[in-house]
Amino acid sequence: NAGVTQTPKFRVLKTGQSMTLLCAQDMNHEYMYWYRQDPGMGLRLIHYSVGEGTTAKGEVPDGYNVSRLKKQNFLLGLESAAPSQTSVYFCASTRANEQFFGPGTRLTVL
Amino acid sequence: AQSVTQPDIHITVSEGASLELRCNYSYGATPYLFWYVQSPGQGLQLLLKYFSGDTLVQGIKGFEAEFKRSQSSFNLRKPSVHWSDAAEYFCAVAPGSNDYKLSFGAGTTVTVRA
Repeated sequence: NAGVTQTPKFRVLKTGQSMTLLCAQDMNHEYMYWYRQDPGMGLRLIHYSVGEGTTAKGEVPDGYNVSRLKKQNFLLGLESAAPSQTSVYFCASTRANEQFFGPGTRLTVL
Repeated sequence: AQSVTQPDIHITVSEGASLELRCNYSYGATPYLFWYVQSPGQGLQLLLKYFSGDTLVQGIKGFEAEFKRSQSSFNLRKPSVHWSDAAEYFCAVAPGSNDYKLSFGAGTTVTVRA
């Protein structure tokens, strides 16, 4: 039982490049979330999903897209990366009002 | 929309001393309340949570938190701090009633001195 895993752990992009972050959970959770963490700002919700095939916008969705084609996976895409998207990205899934977090992906956009 | 304020950005405490981290929230009803801890380079670990009932909540690692409705607060405490408690602590709220989206405070960094 791996819990919530994130791929990759680190990534450096150039402005304008695209990439996809993968989140996987093996706990059969319905709800999944993507957050970004920036110094002095805590974590902010980017997008979330309440089940397979569904997605919704969170607090800071601009510049990101998501997909939930399989219940266990939640993908976060950056179509054209910008320096403002340099951050640490956390994925989480929910059971019984408790969110389980992945280890994070540190993304730098140059 | 709900919001969370952690007034203290950084706290330094001596090992063995008590610790209290403050958290105030703004929300129309009583939300679900959480405290998470993040060690450097790590993900977030849940310390404790409050949904209803007894306003004093016990968590892991010897932490406890008290919900005070009149003050819209959910402060975290530990009677005796260990060096391993050095970390960043986040207070978070969720609306509840099947809405689990978390809003986080900005975090409080705790430094423990010998």
